[in-house]
Amino acid sequence: QKEVEQNSGPLSVPEGAIASLNCTYSDRGSQSFFWYRQYSGKSPELIMSIYSNGDKEDGRFTAQLNKASQYVSLLIRDSQPSDSATYLCAVDNNNDMRFGAGTRLTVKP
Amino acid sequence: GAGVSQSPRYKVAKRGQDVALRCDPISGHVSLFWYQQALGQGPEFLTYFQNEAQLDKSGLPSDRFFAERPEGSVSTLKIQRTQQEDSAVYLCASSYYSSGSYNEQFFGPGTRLTVL
Repeated sequence: QKEVEQNSGPLSVPEGAIASLNCTYSDRGSQSFFWYRQYSGKSPELIMSIYSNGDKEDGRFTAQLNKASQYVSLLIRDSQPSDSATYLCAVDNNNDMRFGAGTRLTVKP
Repeated sequence: GAGVSQSPRYKVAKRGQDVALRCDPISGHVSLFWYQQALGQGPEFLTYFQNEAQLDKSGLPSDRFFAERPEGSVSTLKIQRTQQEDSAVYLCASSYYSSGSYNEQFFGPGTRLTVL
């Protein structure tokens, strides 16, 4: 079992729709949770961080964390073609950061 | 302010050559991380520094890999006697905090290493 699991996709949504990205993790001691966006040929860019159970909203992005279920998700509202990228889930336990393999999202105009 | 910078951006090496990859973290960031990313995969942890101290090198794949951060700022990842399986993108990230929560890491553009 991988430490951080993501559906590799590709996930395809029409422009304006909600994209839902999911991630599960195995280390119950994990304290911090992050979503990174990575465009093809570029490095990961931090878009959301979440540290406690519940929802955290930032613009069109909402991160959701459920530590009991060891589950993190990212919702992207009003998806735009520019959101097309690979989204990496990252889980940290005191500077031991583990990444999922990423979910590739395509937003079709 | 300036982000994390890495050099060179691209490196082609012949098998058996030594290479050195440089990382300049964000000014004032205490923690520095090196990752290796293969195509279609997420970054894999290599090593971690807090200031000049290398606190974790458990991810270094072999003793051919060596990293240093002598003055607690710039870091160098050195790979000796490169092999074809070393071909990957090497990412450097830095974080303001030294430990615990809120470990938001910011990545540099990476160095793409190709070993022929």
